Amino acid sequence: EVQLLESGGGFVQVGGSLRLSCEASGFTFNNYAMAWVRQAPGKGLEWVSAINGRGDNSYYADSVKGRFTISRDNSQKTFYLQMNSLRAEDTALYFCAKIFWFGAVNIPTDAFDIWGQGTMVTVSS
Amino acid sequence: QSVLTQAPSTSGTPGQRVTISCSGSSFNIGNNYVHWYQQLPGAAPKLLIFRNNQRPSGVPDRFSGSKFDTSASLAISGLRSEDEADYYCAAWDDTLNAWVFGGGTKLTVL
Repeated sequence: EVQLLESGGGFVQVGGSLRLSCEASGFTFNNYAMAWVRQAPGKGLEWVSAINGRGDNSYYADSVKGRFTISRDNSQKTFYLQMNSLRAEDTALYFCAKIFWFGAVNIPTDAFDIWGQGTMVTVSS
Repeated sequence: QSVLTQAPSTSGTPGQRVTISCSGSSFNIGNNYVHWYQQLPGAAPKLLIFRNNQRPSGVPDRFSGSKFDTSASLAISGLRSEDEADYYCAAWDDTLNAWVFGGGTKLTVL
C-alpha cells in the first residue's frame, strides 16, 4: 500500500526551528518528486516546497524562501522540511505529498496524488 | 486572498447535481492542468480529479472535471451525504513558479 507518514511537529517559540520528516512506503521513492503543503487552522491549503527524486532540485513558496529547506534521503525513503526562523504565521498542519508523475530529475508540475495524515506545527510567542 | 477563486460555500440535496467553479488566469489555469482535492472533515486532502478531467482509481464517476480557458469546474452528480466536504482546485502558476490553490468551497448536503 502506498503510504506517507509525517512526524516532527510540535510547539516552538517564534524564531525557533523544527524539522519535519515524511517516510514513504509502497512505491519507488527515488523516482518521484515530493512536496509539503500546509493548512493553517480553519484556512485553506498552501503549497510550501517541493523536491525532485534525486534531491538536487527544489522549489519554495515565497512565504518560506530563505527560512525553510527541503531535503531527502532516498536510502531511508524519507524526506524532510527544515524550518528555521519560525513565525506565528507558520502555525499550521503540515502535509507531505507525492507528486503524481515521474520526477527523478525534474519536478513535474502535476497533481499531488498521495497525502500523509499531517503533523501540527504551533509557533507561539 | 487566493490566486484561484472559488465560492466559499455551496449546497445541494441528495441526488442533486452540483457544480463548483474555480477561476484563475492565463498564468495558471489557462496554461496548466487543473486538479481537484476533496477534504473530508478532520481528514487529509484526497486527489479527486487530476489533469483537468481524469479520475484516480477508486473515485466514482459521479465526480467529473472540466476546464475552459481560465476557469475550471468540478461537477458532482447523484449527491450523497458523504460528499459533504471542502473542495479545493489547484494548478501550477508559471509566473509565481508555485502551485496555487483556490480558497476552497464547503459543500453542504442538506
